[in-house]
Amino acid sequence: EAQVTQNPRYLITVTGKKLTVTCSQNMNHEYMSWYRQDPGLGLRQIYYSMNVEVTDKGDVPEGYKVSRKEKRNFPLILESPSPNQTSLYFCASSTRGGQGFGYTFGSGTRLTVV
Amino acid sequence: GEDVEQSLFLSVREGDSSVINCTYTDSSSTYLYWYKQEPGAGLQLLTYIFSNMDMKQDQRLTVLLNKKDKHLSLRIADTQTGDSAIYFCAPSRGATNKLIFGTGTLLAVQP
Repeated sequence: EAQVTQNPRYLITVTGKKLTVTCSQNMNHEYMSWYRQDPGLGLRQIYYSMNVEVTDKGDVPEGYKVSRKEKRNFPLILESPSPNQTSLYFCASSTRGGQGFGYTFGSGTRLTVV
Repeated sequence: GEDVEQSLFLSVREGDSSVINCTYTDSSSTYLYWYKQEPGAGLQLLTYIFSNMDMKQDQRLTVLLNKKDKHLSLRIADTQTGDSAIYFCAPSRGATNKLIFGTGTLLAVQP
């Protein structure tokens, strides 16, 4: 089944403890992206990647890192999480130039930083 | 900057039509998408319209685009309780097909 898989689904952590949220897609998509969803703000793009070893900042990149060493994986790294990073995170992927198909989204990771 | 606005809430009765509206500011959007988010789930692509079209119909869904007014709407015919969800309007931008999301409209369908 074609899908984007994120792990974990739920995570509670403490301020300052490094964490990684994994994202993997099995559709051979070139484009991958991370979004965060907050009440009243919709979804905002954190980082995106156009292909292996090509990443760039989205609208709200502060406090986050990403890497794209393989085409299928696009992990989101929080080096020193803070409470304002408590949010619902979505990974998404798309074919290159696949504008008519939009992005396929993962099921989300709900992160709480205390 | 880019802005996408939607009303926050819509309530309809089962069997009625629902119309969810969206206005956006970026006139260069090539594709404009509608996504559905059910409770506790990710976003599911419902439909999209290309910017050179005025209307697109897909079973119970009709998308209308007024490019001059930068207004997009999603009509759901014969709305069912299973249609209760948050609906996001998301125009795309640029070569990376970046999606610009509205705040979402919560559709509540009353039996």
